[in-house]
Amino acid sequence: GENVEQHPSTLSVQEGDSAVIKCTYSDSASNYFPWYKQELGKRPQLIIDIRSNVGEKKDQRIAVTLNKTAKHFSLHITETQPEDSAVYFCAASGAGSYQLTFGKGTKLSVIP
Amino acid sequence: DAGVIQSPRHEVTEMGQEVTLRCKPISGHDYLFWYRQTMMRGLELLIYFNNNVPIDDSGMPEDRFSAKMPNASFSTLKIQPSEPRDSAVYFCASSLAGGGYTFGSGTRLTVV
Repeated sequence: GENVEQHPSTLSVQEGDSAVIKCTYSDSASNYFPWYKQELGKRPQLIIDIRSNVGEKKDQRIAVTLNKTAKHFSLHITETQPEDSAVYFCAASGAGSYQLTFGKGTKLSVIP
Repeated sequence: DAGVIQSPRHEVTEMGQEVTLRCKPISGHDYLFWYRQTMMRGLELLIYFNNNVPIDDSGMPEDRFSAKMPNASFSTLKIQPSEPRDSAVYFCASSLAGGGYTFGSGTRLTVV
């Protein structure tokens, strides 16, 4: 089955700096890659996603890139703000399967 | 739409008791997933349904766990008998085929 590795497990940045979180996946047939943000005590919420026919997608301060050859994808957050502090999860699902396999999460702390 | 609705939000029970967690997916979503979240293991898929039919229950830890989806608007996850190691946050999520998940608020289960 699919295996998703996520790095780093913790990340601290100064407010206004950029943050990058990276994930690798094992199943070359995977074709859907969402990112979720989970604030303390709350549910994971979808913030951005990308499909395998697209190399990059951007939504305001958030962008995701996908390298199918290397089987890795990354989340980029620019101009970080304290409210960006949360745990971020990457996930992947394979062709014909709609179940998501999640990475272990990255705890992002934005220091004011 | 009110989103994915889970109940109860918190459950404290004694070891050996039966626990039933409930989920109402978003109307029109044809996929329903049950996940368990712990610090050690992250988000683990337990079981998922498509059009009320269980598709993959390989993540269900053991026979003490069972799940049902009697109709498109209701699912239950039952643990009988419960054990302290079952303590976790249990999330239900729903989606359309190939789309991102919408998670419920979760049930925090504590077995003492």
